[in-house]
Amino acid sequence: TQLLEQSPQFLSIQEGENLTVYCNSSSVFSSLQWYRQEPGEGPVLLVTVVTGGEVKKLKRLTFQFGDARKDSSLHITAAQPGDTGLYLCAGVGSGYALNFGKGTSLLVTP
Amino acid sequence: DVKVTQSSRYLVKRTGEKVFLECVQDMDHENMFWYRQDPGLGLRLIYFSYDVKMKEKGDIPEGYSVSREKKERFSLILESASTNQTSMYLCASSLRQASYTFGSGTRLTVV
Repeated sequence: TQLLEQSPQFLSIQEGENLTVYCNSSSVFSSLQWYRQEPGEGPVLLVTVVTGGEVKKLKRLTFQFGDARKDSSLHITAAQPGDTGLYLCAGVGSGYALNFGKGTSLLVTP
Repeated sequence: DVKVTQSSRYLVKRTGEKVFLECVQDMDHENMFWYRQDPGLGLRLIYFSYDVKMKEKGDIPEGYSVSREKKERFSLILESASTNQTSMYLCASSLRQASYTFGSGTRLTVV
């Protein structure tokens, strides 16, 4: 199993603040995915990054894939309470199954 | 809208019972997966299937089995439920190595 380490584990911020979540591994992945999970629901895909150095934007969310395809980051600008949830990164390796990080639990308070 | 449907949102079972968790997808995906999710441990893969009647053990298969008789349905079986199997169970499907579509989860409590 290829391990993915996410940091921080927990994050509690005020509405309007910026934040960055990190996803790191010693393994190379062919692509990396980010999911958001709301309480009581299954994770939902936010984005897939494929190319080393790639940057993708989804409204206030910016995703970056490291040049060596071993790490990724998620930056949220001007966080809103609706951004609250568990953010999971997942790497596509050589097998059928994704390797998931343990997640970053984000709480945005008004 | 594509969907993965898990048969129950909440289940309470007694220790020693045989428990069936059902998952159905309508996307004609080859791959289906069962994970359990526990605080501090993240998502852990129990079993997956890449074709009808095919199954592969994940990281924590002990105490579980699976069945995939039809492409759209993947069942997780707890042979004899124990309290340490109390957890959130998530089913997912995917096309080859593409992204997952998850179900809403089944929160199982074993008493």
